[in-house]
Amino acid sequence: EPEVTQTPSHQVTQMGQEVILRCVPISNHLYFYWYRQILGQKVEFLVSFYNNEISEKSEIFDDQFSVERPDGSNFTLKIRSTKLEDSAMYFCASRFDRGVRNEQFFGPGTRLTVL
Amino acid sequence: GIQVEQSPPDLILQEGANSTLRCNFSDSVNNLQWFHQNPWGQLINLFYIPSGTKQNGRLSATTVATERYSLLYISSSQTTDSGVYFCAVHRRINDYKLSFGAGTTVTVRA
Repeated sequence: EPEVTQTPSHQVTQMGQEVILRCVPISNHLYFYWYRQILGQKVEFLVSFYNNEISEKSEIFDDQFSVERPDGSNFTLKIRSTKLEDSAMYFCASRFDRGVRNEQFFGPGTRLTVL
Repeated sequence: GIQVEQSPPDLILQEGANSTLRCNFSDSVNNLQWFHQNPWGQLINLFYIPSGTKQNGRLSATTVATERYSLLYISSSQTTDSGVYFCAVHRRINDYKLSFGAGTTVTVRA
């Protein structure tokens, strides 16, 4: 069964460093998302991406964040200068949707630890 | 934005017991999904259920869209059912971001 994959599973970085989190969505999906979950809290929407551009972003998604689909398979989230409060689990999700069914499929997550 | 309330926040069960988790939402929705977050933090899709009833093994779910709630039933619980259960919704046809509830933490004891 096709699935969303994410790498790395765990990333440790120093405050101020840049990190790139990688996702490979399900191959025929058209809509891509990043969510994050700070430890012990609910999952929060960060950004959605369709047709090679951002379709929606939350107030969390400030200028430190960017997303890219550099080729036909990868979808990346870049944090330019990490802060301690960026420590969280980051989930990538994708969705097909040419019809009624709007189910999102989530990857296993990348746990980001900023020291 | 849409509000998603889950209850109870915590649930402790003896192995073999049945339970019901509830998700209330504040507006009409086009999508509702239930997830199980396992001890490794992974979000496992359980159900895509904007309306109606579905069953998958010992789990079943019912969404009554007109009354803005969904229920997740766990029957004959096992220790592997432990974890956090999240309900997530999106509201409008052109608003696809999922809004998550705070989750129900389920602990099943042997």
